[in-house]
Amino acid sequence: GAGVSQSPRYKVAKRGQDVALRCDPISGHVSLFWYQQALGQGPEFLTYFQNEAQLDKSGLPSDRFFAERPEGSVSTLKIQRTQQEDSAVYLCASSLLRVTRYYEQYFGPGTRLTVT
Amino acid sequence: QQPVQSPQAVILREGEDAVINCSSSKALYSVHWYRQKHGEAPVFLMILLKGGEQKGHEKISASFNEKKQQSSLYLTASQLSYSGTYFCGTEMWTSYGKLTFGQGTILTVHP
Repeated sequence: GAGVSQSPRYKVAKRGQDVALRCDPISGHVSLFWYQQALGQGPEFLTYFQNEAQLDKSGLPSDRFFAERPEGSVSTLKIQRTQQEDSAVYLCASSLLRVTRYYEQYFGPGTRLTVT
Repeated sequence: QQPVQSPQAVILREGEDAVINCSSSKALYSVHWYRQKHGEAPVFLMILLKGGEQKGHEKISASFNEKKQQSSLYLTASQLSYSGTYFCGTEMWTSYGKLTFGQGTILTVHP
């Protein structure tokens, strides 16, 4: 079966441009997570959806970052007016509905964003 | 609060063993372990829950000391394919679903 897919895999944006990053989770996975990974660092939590509901967006670094999952499957992370410090790999992960807190997250390959 | 991993890097020969540690200053509900190869997605290895439950790959073992808020990942009889960066992700009782990852441990296995 297909895993988590993300597009584009690479994105180069000029400072000030808006970008949209897409995540296709594993079919049937209710939970979806976005992470930001800087070079040589661990993934850093950005936001979390359960179905279409955004339950936690405490990790979004500024109001330039916005995420949505309108139909509870595909999700888009949008960054407005990109800055150089936004350059990173953006990872998406999905997991099954949690009856208990006993689950694993399946990660996509990420989108490498470079802001010039 | 980011968990602290140690060591930062390990170099092994095939067949040798290694232990990677993860320590948190906060009370944890669970610890998750992932391995990431360069340019690839992190891959799930193990979950350890408060209370002793765990789930993971057969060839991987780990422990979770709830009193000390520490977890250790045990890699035995290492293979070349074990090379990569290992991350622990910690989940607190108050942050349902949210993982905070450590800075990673780089493991290199040589023939």
